[in-house]
Amino acid sequence: QVQLQESGPGLVKPSETLSLTCTVSGGSISSYYWSWIRQPPGKGLEWIGYIYYSGSTNYNPSLKSRVTILVDTSKNQFSLKVRSVTAADTAVYYCARHHVAEPRDAFDIWGQGTMVTVSS
Amino acid sequence: DIQMTQSPSSLSASVGDRVTITCRASQSISSYLNWYQQKPGKAPKLLIFAVSSVQSGVPSRFSGSGSGTDFTLTISSLQPEDFATYYCQQSDSSPLTFGPGTKVDIK
Repeated sequence: QVQLQESGPGLVKPSETLSLTCTVSGGSISSYYWSWIRQPPGKGLEWIGYIYYSGSTNYNPSLKSRVTILVDTSKNQFSLKVRSVTAADTAVYYCARHHVAEPRDAFDIWGQGTMVTVSS
Repeated sequence: DIQMTQSPSSLSASVGDRVTITCRASQSISSYLNWYQQKPGKAPKLLIFAVSSVQSGVPSRFSGSGSGTDFTLTISSLQPEDFATYYCQQSDSSPLTFGPGTKVDIK
């Protein structure tokens, strides 16, 4: 079955760039949308953005100026970069498959999540 | 942005109880409403998509209903493994948004 695994540094300094990768195993990255979602400690879920396997993207306007999501189909991976981070970007970051097939349009497979702390 | 609200924010219930959680959207979202369950330290898990379709592998005690702006998640007979936080999420329009969550704990 399809599994997702996030990887990347757990600590990032303020003003620097947060970089995470999600590796898709057990299935192809093709023909699906792939999202990043985050959850600050003790708080709710915030959708960051998604990428289609073809490379088209859609970002949350609240983060759009600082976020880039890319896909590498040869490696079955997609990635997230958040620039100019502050303490407010401290959160558990999840990657998820965004399954869009009417009537379904939901995050049906999630990675385990990775905690990223922004601190000097 | 479409704002999602949930009520109650938390509830205490006993094993075997029928539990209902309400989700309201700030504008009509047709049938683009999903429900997730999250246990501490774990990723959310999709329970219900498109208002009332139960995700594969999810027990039949979970059901969803509603339309337009008002939706409900019902657990017909609460089991020990159901104590968790539940989130609704709309996929009608971007940005995709979640409700603030409803924490279900043991009475």
